[in-house]
Parts: sequence; structure tokens; C-alpha cells
Amino acid sequence: KAGVTQTPRYLIKTRGQQVTLSCSPISGHRSVSWYQQTPGQGLQFLFEYFSETQRNKGNFPGRFSGRQFSNSRSEMNVSTLELGDSALYLCASSSDGTGQETQYFGPGTRLLVL
Amino acid sequence: AQSVTQLGSHVSVSEGALVLLRCNYSSSVPPYLFWYVQYPNQGLQLLLKYTSAATLVKGINGFEAEFKKSETSFHLTKPSAHMSDAAEYFCAVSGAGGSYIPTFGRGTSLIVHP
Repeated sequence: KAGVTQTPRYLIKTRGQQVTLSCSPISGHRSVSWYQQTPGQGLQFLFEYFSETQRNKGNFPGRFSGRQFSNSRSEMNVSTLELGDSALYLCASSSDGTGQETQYFGPGTRLLVL
Repeated sequence: AQSVTQLGSHVSVSEGALVLLRCNYSSSVPPYLFWYVQYPNQGLQLLLKYTSAATLVKGINGFEAEFKKSETSFHLTKPSAHMSDAAEYFCAVSGAGGSYIPTFGRGTSLIVHP
């Protein structure tokens, strides 16, 4: 089985721009979660989608949004980028996200905001 | 609420020495516990997980962890460190209070000296 893929792997944007990141989960997985990883804050949960519905949301401003398509692929969007949004954005998938399930992580998208 | 504390942001060992990475969790109910490893420029990879079966859990690459409810701990060990073990290690907890979104610790960087 192919693993979780994320595109693009690297991205450079300027303040005020918006960005869309993509995640393709493992085939058959219906739960997709997004995390932001920074040296200062560690791994922070952004949101989780299951069967095209946002099931959980972390404590991030409304500039961060996402969606999931019928094939379970997911996108996250960040509008009006700020310098502090520079981070590694990780996507993880699991079959149904019941808590005991293993999350399989993609390699991440490294976003640099200038 | 659930939380995870990883003691020591950096742990340094010599090749061949015992590896001990500490993780304590806070949870009002028996949780699910995970250890993940992250190599540079990669996503997280599951090392092992505890889901209320055997308290001593064996994982990949010779790692194991023991769930100790009385101490609310889930420390990760490996009898003999290898240079290739140098990476960032994350402990995570989920399932407490009905939350199946994992909460991650801040991570411990394992440094292996020749």
C-alpha cells in the first residue's frame, strides 16, 4: 500500500498570501488529521476530517480551514499568512480514528512565510 | 483532559548503552499510549502502542515500553543504542474522556555518540 502523501513538500510564501496544502491518505482510510509542528510549540492538532465532515478542531484561528473530498483526500488552507505560520504541516490518516488506531503520517509540507 | 509530559528535551547516550526515554501521562481513564519516532525531514512513524492488552509492549527496531498505571508512565527503552536511533521521539496519549485525537508530548531528541 502506498503511504500518506503530501504536496507540495516545500513552500515559500509572503505575508498576506494564502496557501493550500494537499494530503492523500492511505487507501481505505477515512480519517485525516492535520498537525502543525514548530520548534516552539511542538505538535499541535489543527483539525480532523472523517467522511468529508470536520469531526474535531484544535485551537487555531479561522484563517486555518480544511476540507475532505469523497475519495478521502484532504486539503487545508491558510489565508492571510503570518510569519508565525512558518512550520511543518503534517497530515495523518487512520482507518476510522477511534483513538486506539495507529495514525500514519505523511512526510509533511514545510511552509516558510517571509 | 489528557496530557503528556516527556522528561528531558535531549537525551545523550553512547552507542551500545541503554536508551531510556521517559513519558508520563495524565488521564482519568485507561488511555491508549503511543511512541512515535521522527527522523529529520520526515513525518512520524509508529514505534509501538499500548491498547490495554499486555503492559509490556514490544515495538520495531528493538524498542519496548512498559505501561505502569500506578506511576502513570509509559517509558521507552532499548537495551543497546545504535547510531541509527538518533532521532526525535514523541509520546502520545488518546482515548481519555472520549477524545480520540492524540495529544503529543514535546518530544525528546535522542543523541547517540560513537
